[in-house]
Amino acid sequence: DGGITQSPKYLFRKEGQNVTLSCEQNLNHDAMYWYRQDPGQGLRLIYYSQIVNDFQKGDIAEGYSVSREKKESFPLTVTSAQKNPTAFYLCASSTQREDSLNYGYTFGSGTRLTVV
Amino acid sequence: DQQVKQNSPSLSVQEGRISILNCDYTNSMFDYFLWYKKYPAEGPTFLISISSIKDKNEDGRFTVFLNKSAKHLSLHIVPSQPGDSAVYFCAASSTQGGSEKLVFGKGTKLTVNP
Repeated sequence: DGGITQSPKYLFRKEGQNVTLSCEQNLNHDAMYWYRQDPGQGLRLIYYSQIVNDFQKGDIAEGYSVSREKKESFPLTVTSAQKNPTAFYLCASSTQREDSLNYGYTFGSGTRLTVV
Repeated sequence: DQQVKQNSPSLSVQEGRISILNCDYTNSMFDYFLWYKKYPAEGPTFLISISSIKDKNEDGRFTVFLNKSAKHLSLHIVPSQPGDSAVYFCAASSTQGGSEKLVFGKGTKLTVNP
């Protein structure tokens, strides 16, 4: 079964620590994305990658870093520079739009990060 | 600058009645639109989409209408069921500008009362 897996589902971090959220997909999708959801804020784009070894900042990239060494994997590191990291983080993947008549994102089930 | 707007943060309807969720956009280059449904603590799931060459797309109880001149789309759910209670996100895409990424609205929380 093809899909996108985020782990862990719940994560607790002490202030001042970096933490890495995992995102793996076996859909053979070229593009991958990281979003953050806060109450009343909708989905805000952190980083995205349209191809291996390349990624771009989204709307709220400060305090975050990513890597895209493999097509299947797009881990997100929340650094100590992120002032308000407690949120629900969503990873998504997609084909290139011209490859699909039914273009859209497939989302993972999310990671709830809490700073303690 | 919010390119995709869902002006109603919440909507409450009775079971069996119609739910109408609205979405406005400002970028005239958007040519593909989607609706996603999200339950708490889960990832959004794709619901229905529409290309700008159409003005209506229907899938079972769900219909999306697109009014390009008004830059407005709406999602109709008929009849509404309690299991439809979720947050609905409108999203838009353009092939112009070198980026195909979706732009999301802030979501509308639908509550269907039994």
